[in-house]
Amino acid sequence: SQTIHQWPATLVQPVGSPLSLECTVEGTSNPNLYWYRQAAGRGLQLLFYSVGIGQISSEVPQNLSASRPQDRQFILSSKKLLLSDSGFYLCAWSPTILGEVSYGYTFGSGTRLTVV
Amino acid sequence: AQSVTQPDIHITVSEGASLELRCNYSYGATPYLFWYVQSPGQGLQLLLKYFSGDTLVQGIKGFEAEFKRSQSSFNLRKPSVHWSDAAEYFCAVGIKAAGNKLTFGGGTRVLVKP
Repeated sequence: SQTIHQWPATLVQPVGSPLSLECTVEGTSNPNLYWYRQAAGRGLQLLFYSVGIGQISSEVPQNLSASRPQDRQFILSSKKLLLSDSGFYLCAWSPTILGEVSYGYTFGSGTRLTVV
Repeated sequence: AQSVTQPDIHITVSEGASLELRCNYSYGATPYLFWYVQSPGQGLQLLLKYFSGDTLVQGIKGFEAEFKRSQSSFNLRKPSVHWSDAAEYFCAVGIKAAGNKLTFGGGTRVLVKP
């Protein structure tokens, strides 16, 4: 069966420090991968998505970047964190079946990032 | 571009009472529709989905949702709420395109009174 792992679960980082959040998927090949951010009391904002290795699409201009060095690995990074980067970051995957979206997403358990 | 509106930010319901969460979408064609639930500090779990066929969809945990094309709605219902249903619920719209992106509503937080 497919599983998605996201770490760390919580992170407290000072302003100006770098960030690296990692997400890996097991049990599937060539998944679509996504990074969402959920600010306190707000909905989910799509940050990045990837349809293949090295293919990253950015949805919102920001202080963050994403990379996909391997088929089932998706990394969210920042060189210098801002206070506004605080939030709950969720990784998700969906299967690539002839472009069919009907299967929806499977989400990781999230990373709570607090920038201080 | 597609959009999703969940008009109710918070809903408080008594345990055992019925629950209905509203979701309206804006999209030029019939979208793929989803309801997710998020417990505090957790990821999102898929409750149910609609992409064709019967407009009344059954999901997990006793939830169901009805797609109404004329109203562009996909409301979630549960006949009798349990205390464990206290969570945040998200409606989402998907389109068949590169990346198969989902657009989420702002969420509805459900509080259950004993």
